[in-house]
Amino acid sequence: NAGVTQTPKFRVLKTGQSMTLLCAQDMNHEYMYWYRQDPGMGLRLIHYSVGEGTTAKGEVPDGYNVSRLKKQNFLLGLESAAPSQTSVYFCASSYIHYEAQPQHFGDGTRLSIL
Amino acid sequence: GQNIDQPTEMTATEGAIVQINCTYQTSGFNGLFWYQQHAGEAPTFLSYNVLDGLEEKGRFSSFLSRSKGYSYLLLKELQMKDSASYLCAAMDSNYQLIWGAGTKLIIKP
Repeated sequence: NAGVTQTPKFRVLKTGQSMTLLCAQDMNHEYMYWYRQDPGMGLRLIHYSVGEGTTAKGEVPDGYNVSRLKKQNFLLGLESAAPSQTSVYFCASSYIHYEAQPQHFGDGTRLSIL
Repeated sequence: GQNIDQPTEMTATEGAIVQINCTYQTSGFNGLFWYQQHAGEAPTFLSYNVLDGLEEKGRFSSFLSRSKGYSYLLLKELQMKDSASYLCAAMDSNYQLIWGAGTKLIIKP
């Protein structure tokens, strides 16, 4: 049982380049999330999805876009990368959005923007 | 605004007990989560509290006081493998998780 899988695990980009981070889950979870984690700060929600074909903005959505074309996949796109987007990105999923349902995390993508 | 406070770093001795505190301010409240995160790895779920009181799960226990906006994670019989960051997260009225910056726990032999 793979759980939540993120690809790639590491990436270095130049300012202005674009890329897509892929998240796949095999737990049949409805909800999926993209977070970024920066030193000295808590996880910050970028975008999330409550089901196939739906997306919503989180706390820090600017500069990112997402898509959820299939229930098991949640893609995070950077259209024009900026050094401020250097971070560790985590994808998570959960059965439902509320009550005692923990989020399950992928191993993260370490992204550096030069 | 919404805010989570927890100590940045704590040090404890193998075999001892340590308590990691967390205070929260959120718009509404739907529960408090604790996660463990080893360096370079993903956060993993430890506990969830929504009612006042203590929840015990093996060597780990978590306490919640809703009236005080306060929680703690208690780790007993510390082992070297418990060296990690411990993340506190409160769920607000929109069922969004508000995360603390994490407490780095260092275990010394």
